[in-house]
Amino acid sequence: GIQVEQSPPDLILQEGANSTLRCNFSDSVNNLQWFHQNPWGQLINLFYIPSGTKQNGRLSATTVATERYSLLYISSSQTTDSGVYFCAVVDDMRFGAGTRLTVKP
Amino acid sequence: GAGVSQSPRYKVAKRGQDVALRCDPISGHVSLFWYQQALGQGPEFLTYFQNEAQLDKSGLPSDRFFAERPEGSVSTLKIQRTQQEDSAVYLCASSFLTGDYEQYFGPGTRLTVT
Repeated sequence: GIQVEQSPPDLILQEGANSTLRCNFSDSVNNLQWFHQNPWGQLINLFYIPSGTKQNGRLSATTVATERYSLLYISSSQTTDSGVYFCAVVDDMRFGAGTRLTVKP
Repeated sequence: GAGVSQSPRYKVAKRGQDVALRCDPISGHVSLFWYQQALGQGPEFLTYFQNEAQLDKSGLPSDRFFAERPEGSVSTLKIQRTQQEDSAVYLCASSFLTGDYEQYFGPGTRLTVT
């Protein structure tokens, strides 16, 4: 099956900093999602982004399907951004291992 | 309801007991998925339904795991003779069948087997 790799595994930021999270996948995909898992365990949809670029407030995502990667950008980070960020290849129902983000005040 | 709901939110079972976990998908969503998430890891696929048909159960770890969706709406994941390695969060997600395939997740059921 398809392999999904996320980097970095852990990220610590000061409030206000920007960050880029990466998701690589081993084969072509038709459907990719980014999620934020909050400290209570709820998976929150961030982006459904099989290709192209989308923005929602301080967050944006870009998927380059031909090069088999997707990026999640977080600007002006806040403490409430803390948690684990997952990308998932929806076609294969396969998740990456996640990036654990900690934003310090 | 507005979102995917799951019950119970927490379940403690003694080793050897049977458990049943319930998922109510978003109204109108044809597809329903079950995932297992161990501590510190990403969700792992268990099984997938399209309406009442179980189209993929390749992720079920053993024949002690059984899932059903008899009327194409509510789904139940049953684990028989629970073992300690079954301790995890069980997540349910639903999506439309056609158009975009965005999955929406419930809050999960945390199962602890003692």
